[in-house]
Amino acid sequence: DAKTTQPNSMESNEEEPVHLPCNHSTISGTDYIHWYRQLPSQGPEYVIHGLTSNVNNRMASLAIAEDRKSSTLILHRATLRDAAVYYCILRAWDNTNAGKSTFGDGTTLTVKP
Amino acid sequence: GAGVSQSPRYKVAKRGQDVALRCDPISGHVSLFWYQQALGQGPEFLTYFQNEAQLDKSGLPSDRFFAERPEGSVSTLKIQRTQQEDSAVYLCASSLVGQGDTEAFFGQGTRLTVV
Repeated sequence: DAKTTQPNSMESNEEEPVHLPCNHSTISGTDYIHWYRQLPSQGPEYVIHGLTSNVNNRMASLAIAEDRKSSTLILHRATLRDAAVYYCILRAWDNTNAGKSTFGDGTTLTVKP
Repeated sequence: GAGVSQSPRYKVAKRGQDVALRCDPISGHVSLFWYQQALGQGPEFLTYFQNEAQLDKSGLPSDRFFAERPEGSVSTLKIQRTQQEDSAVYLCASSLVGQGDTEAFFGQGTRLTVV
């Protein structure tokens, strides 16, 4: 299974941008890059996903390296509610393999007021 | 609500007891996943269904773990003869289709404590 590597923890100040990196050097050509975040005592929540091009949505932006071996989740203005564990995972394109995603231990983001 | 619903939220089992954890996915979602999350760690894949077919059960840690989704909707994860190492949060997720280009929606999980 393709795996991802993330820093254990990061800190940010409120209302400043945050760049959360993820390495996935063994990504295959048909793997989608997904980001989820998890608050204490909650299930993971979808943030964003992409394949090759950079993606934007109301929560965040996803910047994908040209060789797809790394990506960065960008929170444009961190708020206290963004404090969570952020997971970068890969999901295969096809039905048979899409379910088996490896989460890893994620990055714990602390936002300071 | 329209989200993924898991029950019970909390379960305490005596060692050796059998337990059944229920997952109600979002209506119409084809794919359903089960994960196990130990304290302080990320979720670990257990098994994956597409409709009623169990396409991947490679993450089930032992033959004491069994999952089913007989009508392609509600799923049950059963653990027989529970052990202390089974204590964890069990997460269920569903997605509209199986391909990786779709987001997964997670339930709040069932916290299992084996005493």
